[in-house]
Amino acid sequence: DVKVTQSSRYLVKRTGEKVFLECVQDMDHENMFWYRQDPGLGLRLIYFSYDVKMKEKGDIPEGYSVSREKKERFSLILESASTNQTSMYLCASARQGGRANEKLFFGSGTQLSVL
Amino acid sequence: SQELEQSPQSLIVQEGKNLTINCTSSKTLYGLYWYKQKYGEGLIFLMMLQKGGEEKSHEKITAKLDEKKQQSSLHITASQPSHAGIYLCGAAYSGGGADGLTFGKGTHLIIQP
Repeated sequence: DVKVTQSSRYLVKRTGEKVFLECVQDMDHENMFWYRQDPGLGLRLIYFSYDVKMKEKGDIPEGYSVSREKKERFSLILESASTNQTSMYLCASARQGGRANEKLFFGSGTQLSVL
Repeated sequence: SQELEQSPQSLIVQEGKNLTINCTSSKTLYGLYWYKQKYGEGLIFLMMLQKGGEEKSHEKITAKLDEKKQQSSLHITASQPSHAGIYLCGAAYSGGGADGLTFGKGTHLIIQP
């Protein structure tokens, strides 16, 4: 089975801190994604990457950046954390399916609290 | 407006009863995915539907795709406490999987003993 591992389940940071959320997948997937999940808003796509060193903005990229230096690792960076970035962050990966759809495999999530 | 509408937002069902959750897209679907999430955890894949009229089942959960209506329904028969959680539908609007999925806001399912 595909394993998507997020480095922390819970994280507490202070306003203004630089925050790194790490995600590693073990199935050689080309595509990786970062979502945030908030009550009443559902899952929203922050950034995604379809190859090493490639990144694309999702629906809500403001205040975030990403890094994909190796195929298996996709990092989400909060340059200067703010309280409105308190959320559950979910990483996902998927194969590049060509013309077919490929399902997303999710990590367990990181609940980030910014104080 | 939301591209993917899920209904109901929450559902309380007595154990043993059947229930249905709906997911409607405002755009043409390339694929429709159903996931389940336990509170505070990641999403677990349930089923993927791609073709109009397609129906898939896993244990007591059945999902159908109505291509004309751009709608999918998830039906649980004889609900059990293990079915409790958040059910999310995710839409693919293009092939290849590179763009990720657009998700509905989820349906919170509570099973009452």
